[in-house]
Amino acid sequence: NAGVTQTPKFQVLKTGQSMTLQCAQDMNHEYMSWYRQDPGMGLRLIHYSVGAGITDQGEVPNGYNVSRSTTEDFPLRLLSAAPSQTSVYFCASSSTDTRGGNQPQHFGDGTRLSIL
Amino acid sequence: KQEVTQIPAALSVPEGENLVLNCSFTDSAIYNLQWFRQDPGKGLTSLLLIQSSQREQTSGRLNASLDKSSGRSTLYIAASQPGDSATYLCAVIQGAQKLVFGQGTRLTINP
Repeated sequence: NAGVTQTPKFQVLKTGQSMTLQCAQDMNHEYMSWYRQDPGMGLRLIHYSVGAGITDQGEVPNGYNVSRSTTEDFPLRLLSAAPSQTSVYFCASSSTDTRGGNQPQHFGDGTRLSIL
Repeated sequence: KQEVTQIPAALSVPEGENLVLNCSFTDSAIYNLQWFRQDPGKGLTSLLLIQSSQREQTSGRLNASLDKSSGRSTLYIAASQPGDSATYLCAVIQGAQKLVFGQGTRLTINP
């Protein structure tokens, strides 16, 4: 009963390095999204996907890249890490029921990222 | 742009009290509203999801209400316990299941 799995849990990077945050869900959810959580700013949407092969930008997309080649996986790429990207990153997934109603969003445990 | 506000930012009450957390939003064109709990250093745990056509949802000691016309939701916690101490977040759900979060209410229940 894994739900939404994020790896790694912690990471320290140097400015300019690149890395990929992994997110996988085993619930066959069509919707997946990435949020960052910062003190005083709350959680903000970075990128989201409504299905395999379809992604779009959220509120704070600059410096991040995503792709969705499968239903299960939605990796988030930092192209050239900057100190302003130090944050806690959460991946979420959800689906709709047979009548089109939204089901609750499920969140991973987060990745704590520090950029030096 | 949708804005979500939670008041108060922090709340401390003695064990056993009933309490209400407030959430307001500026744009009533929402699909649903969801309440979460977040423990320090942890992820988000879903508590209640209210569909836009519903007025309230209940789970155990929790009851959440939604009034779209006034842009408000409340989370009622009955008979509070120390284990209820956490940050409570509300989020409105817009198209493509995008969430807009409030900044949360940090709740402390004192034994």
